[in-house]
Amino acid sequence: QVQLVQSGSELKKPGASVKVSCKASGYTFTDYAVIWVRQAPGQGLEWMGWINTNTGIPTYAQDFTGRFVFSLDRSVSTAYLQISSLKADDTALYYCAREENYYHGSGPVDYWGQGTLVTVSS
Amino acid sequence: SYELTQPSSVSVSPGQTARITCSGDVLAKKYVRWFQQKPGQAPVLLIYKDSERPSGIPDRFSGSTSGSTVTLTISGAQVEDEADYYCYSATDNNLRVFGGGTKLTVL
Repeated sequence: QVQLVQSGSELKKPGASVKVSCKASGYTFTDYAVIWVRQAPGQGLEWMGWINTNTGIPTYAQDFTGRFVFSLDRSVSTAYLQISSLKADDTALYYCAREENYYHGSGPVDYWGQGTLVTVSS
Repeated sequence: SYELTQPSSVSVSPGQTARITCSGDVLAKKYVRWFQQKPGQAPVLLIYKDSERPSGIPDRFSGSTSGSTVTLTISGAQVEDEADYYCYSATDNNLRVFGGGTKLTVL
């Protein structure tokens, strides 16, 4: 069955970095884009960007340029989100999800990871 | 910037029809997807391509569109439908945007 399994919760100090993984199984990894979504405590969903799993090319939403990096390891069907120079307001749940037929803009976003809580506190 | 506007809250009694709207200029040209999110859980896809329902989603959930406004309709809302609902769409430059979310209360 299709699964996206994310790495566990992280507690980091301000200024540190964190790398969140999202391991896909049950489908051909390169058939779907991977999107990343942030949800701050008590807030809504925020689209961070996506990565083309065929080319490895990432695209970032305007608010997520600079300190945020998406990457892949296709050999293990895993996508990564790295955040550097962490700040307190990076504290949030981070989700990965797969999106079908990304360029058409109509496909289902049908499987999500369980979310990774990143807490930034001194 | 692209924005999708949803009401912050909607309240219905069990068995009534709940309608949650999502408005934005981009919706006149782009498809919408709808998600349900219950506390402590990841979002669940309810609708894609404006009105298509994935397998396993009850048929009381339906989507419709009219110009730059799309509507998620929950016919005969149940207490278990109490959740946050988000619309999601592509933008002109092929990025994505979520609506601000709507808290549905069923009581």
